[in-house]
Amino acid sequence: DVKVTQSSRYLVKRTGEKVFLECVQDMDHENMFWYRQDPGLGLRLIYFSYDVKMKEKGDIPEGYSVSREKKERFSLILESASTNQTSMYLCASSWGGEAQYFGPGTRLLVL
Amino acid sequence: QKEVEQDPGPLSVPEGAIVSLNCTYSNSAFQYFMWYRQYSRKGPELLMYTYSSGNKEDGRFTAQVDKSSKYISLFIRDSQPSDSATYLCAMRQTSGGYQKVTFGIGTKLQVIP
Repeated sequence: DVKVTQSSRYLVKRTGEKVFLECVQDMDHENMFWYRQDPGLGLRLIYFSYDVKMKEKGDIPEGYSVSREKKERFSLILESASTNQTSMYLCASSWGGEAQYFGPGTRLLVL
Repeated sequence: QKEVEQDPGPLSVPEGAIVSLNCTYSNSAFQYFMWYRQYSRKGPELLMYTYSSGNKEDGRFTAQVDKSSKYISLFIRDSQPSDSATYLCAMRQTSGGYQKVTFGIGTKLQVIP
């Protein structure tokens, strides 16, 4: 079975802090994704990566950056956290054009 | 108009009922269709992955695609309280490399014992 893990289930941070969210997949998937999910807005793509050291902006990249130094690991960075970044963050991975598999999510609260 | 429309519900049904969950879409280039189940405070879990029109069955779940009507459905037979979750439809265009996936907003289902 595909396994996607995220470093934290819950995080509480203060405004202005730098926040790191990490995601690891164990299926040698080439594609990895970061989404945020908010009530009434659904899933929105922040960034994705189709190879090591490669990244592409999604629909809402502002305020975020990403890093993919190894194939299995994809990190999302909030350079200076703001209250409007309070959300559920979901990592996903896929092989080629196949379906995406999601991690358990990280609920981030920015105070 | 959104590319993918999905009624957010909530949809409440009695245990044992047949559940029908639906999505409509406007982009005729969509060819691959997925259904995910998401329990509260968890990540989405892939349930069904289909290509083109027709039906696909997996246990109590049947996914149906009608490309002529731009309409997809997920049927759940003999629904159980454990089926209570939010169901997201998702779709994308052609195969080959990464193609953006468009998600519905999700329908919240509650199965009453």
